[in-house]
Amino acid sequence: GNSVTQMEGPVTLSEEAFLTINCTYTATGYPSLFWYVQYPGEGLQLLLKATKADDKGSNKGFEATYRKETTSFHLEKGSVQVSDSAVYFCALSDRQGAQKLVFGQGTRLTINP
Amino acid sequence: GAVVSQHPSWVICKSGTSVKIECRSLDFQATTMFWYRQFPKQSLMLMATSNEGSKATYEQGVEKDKFLINHASLTLSTLTVTSAHPEDSSFYICSGELEDEQYFGPGTRLTVT
Repeated sequence: GNSVTQMEGPVTLSEEAFLTINCTYTATGYPSLFWYVQYPGEGLQLLLKATKADDKGSNKGFEATYRKETTSFHLEKGSVQVSDSAVYFCALSDRQGAQKLVFGQGTRLTINP
Repeated sequence: GAVVSQHPSWVICKSGTSVKIECRSLDFQATTMFWYRQFPKQSLMLMATSNEGSKATYEQGVEKDKFLINHASLTLSTLTVTSAHPEDSSFYICSGELEDEQYFGPGTRLTVT
């Protein structure tokens, strides 16, 4: 079945550092890929998505590229801020939209000033 | 826009009793809602897909008689944990679907004593 594996956290960085959170997936067919972010006390929010190979999703300075050859969707940001502290979830859907999402285990990110 | 609320945010109940969790889409109509369960430091696991006016579709391994889901209106879905046991203690999260995206509630922490 479909699965998503994220790098284990927690991850702690200093402000303005470069961020990478690795995500790889196993799926049949051509899934859609997502990154969700969960700020303290809030529900998960869609951060970015990509629906086909080589697509790049981007939002709020974060980027991730759908790499079919390596079955990866790594999240990157060039310069993190304290406000980026949150839990990040990689997810896939085997449908065009966000139905029946399969999530990775989440990575807690803490940014120190 | 696209806000989902859950009530209560946390609940403690005694073993053997039932507890109901509400999920509401506040500013949109959600034909489809999803219920997830999240264990500490683990991923969200989809429990069931709830469609307004019809029976919920449960994922493999989820007991439909234990986790009763009712989606009586386009803005409300409820999850009732019947005859709760300590192993049902978990974080329950719902989401509503709008235009191929899922919008998540903040979650309900259930503790069964």
